[in-house]
Amino acid sequence: NAGVMQNPRHLVRRRGQEARLRCSPMKGHSHVYWYRQLPEEGLKFMVYLQKENIIDESGMPKERFSAEFPKEGPSILRIQQVVRGDSAAYFCASSPGQGALNEQFFGPGTRLTVL
Amino acid sequence: EDKVVQSPLSLVVHEGDTVTLNCSYEVTNFRSLLWYKQEKKAPTFLFMLTSSGIEKKSGRLSSILDKKELFSILNITATQTGDSAIYLCAGASGSNYQLIWGAGTKLIIKP
Repeated sequence: NAGVMQNPRHLVRRRGQEARLRCSPMKGHSHVYWYRQLPEEGLKFMVYLQKENIIDESGMPKERFSAEFPKEGPSILRIQQVVRGDSAAYFCASSPGQGALNEQFFGPGTRLTVL
Repeated sequence: EDKVVQSPLSLVVHEGDTVTLNCSYEVTNFRSLLWYKQEKKAPTFLFMLTSSGIEKKSGRLSSILDKKELFSILNITATQTGDSAIYLCAGASGSNYQLIWGAGTKLIIKP
């Protein structure tokens, strides 16, 4: 059973470009969470999705950031017109049920560098 | 505002030492506390604690939760260089599914 998969592992973008980060949850998991980790900081919740639904996007900046989890295919975190401050590690986690009492399994992360 | 505070922020010990990592929390409708180990990549799950006073153990690692004083500790005995990592704790709220994360303790084990 493959774990949570994320790609790309490393992504370099110039300011103003778009970044697309992909996350395939573990088999059988229908809940996906995206987190951002800045250097020397803990993980910050961004968005929680189930298949075809955004359940909570309260941690996601209102502009330039969007997320989806289509019926088929991976979850996508999209950052438009990237700025240097978007440079961070973006982790996706999945769980079989709703958050709290099901531990979340993390992917390896995508390290985004904005030049 | 919900928060999770870990201490110390960093710790350097020698192989064979025992370490105790601390995590205090203020989480609305608290349900559980989770510990993760993060090396160079994704955090990996260690423990989930929901009941006060019951120690969970996995090899040389153990953890306990105190719901009255709102903290948890993670103990590692007979440390090895492979234990070097960032240890994260997170509080889970029953009112939502968001995990509130501490900033982590960076543990370095010297040979």
